[in-house]
Amino acid sequence: DIQMTQSPSSLSASAGDRVIITCRASQSISTYLNWYQQRPGKAPKLLIYGASTLQTGVPSRFSGGGSGTEFTLTISSLQPEDFATYYCQQSSSTLMYTFGQGTKLEIK
Amino acid sequence: QVQLVQSGAEVKKPGSSVKVSCKASGGTFSAYTITWVRQAPGQGLEWMGRILPILGTNYAQKFQGRVTITADRSTSTAYMELSGLRSEDTAIYYCARDVGSFFYNWLDPWGQGTLVTVSS
Repeated sequence: DIQMTQSPSSLSASAGDRVIITCRASQSISTYLNWYQQRPGKAPKLLIYGASTLQTGVPSRFSGGGSGTEFTLTISSLQPEDFATYYCQQSSSTLMYTFGQGTKLEIK
Repeated sequence: QVQLVQSGAEVKKPGSSVKVSCKASGGTFSAYTITWVRQAPGQGLEWMGRILPILGTNYAQKFQGRVTITADRSTSTAYMELSGLRSEDTAIYYCARDVGSFFYNWLDPWGQGTLVTVSS
């Protein structure tokens, strides 16, 4: 199985800050990498697919990058509604998707 | 706009089975791949398996033999049945549409989730 590891596991930041979350794959996954946001008590929501393509309706302050084994999710200027947990997910192995353990973004 | 609506919360005894439904609206269900993901309390997301329109199902090895995913295309509803329940299966179970394009796949949208509690 392809293992996905996110860092950090938690992060404190203030509104207006720029934050970067990293996701590493245990083997190369090209750009078969998706990012999701999950607010407390809610289902996950797709933010980015194919490592860098923003889902329709997602604010442009979100961006994704990387390929191979290292990926990033960047939020350029945090808004109050962005405080949530973020997950990466690989879709390289269509027989077995795997998620990162999540990064909880909290208000400082 | 595709929407997925799941069945309500369940409380089950250890050793029993649970069947969760996921009804789709707003699109062509016959063409959908539906994936099931679960989330234990305070934990991350865990992929369980999926059902494809023609190619059938594939399951995570962890759940092989205990999970069955089916779909009734006439009612636009997918089902996930988990047997041999134990306390560790207490979780929120989500369905999601597995969207594919040019070899890329992603999960969107998601159902609202179904809490399954396993307790004696």
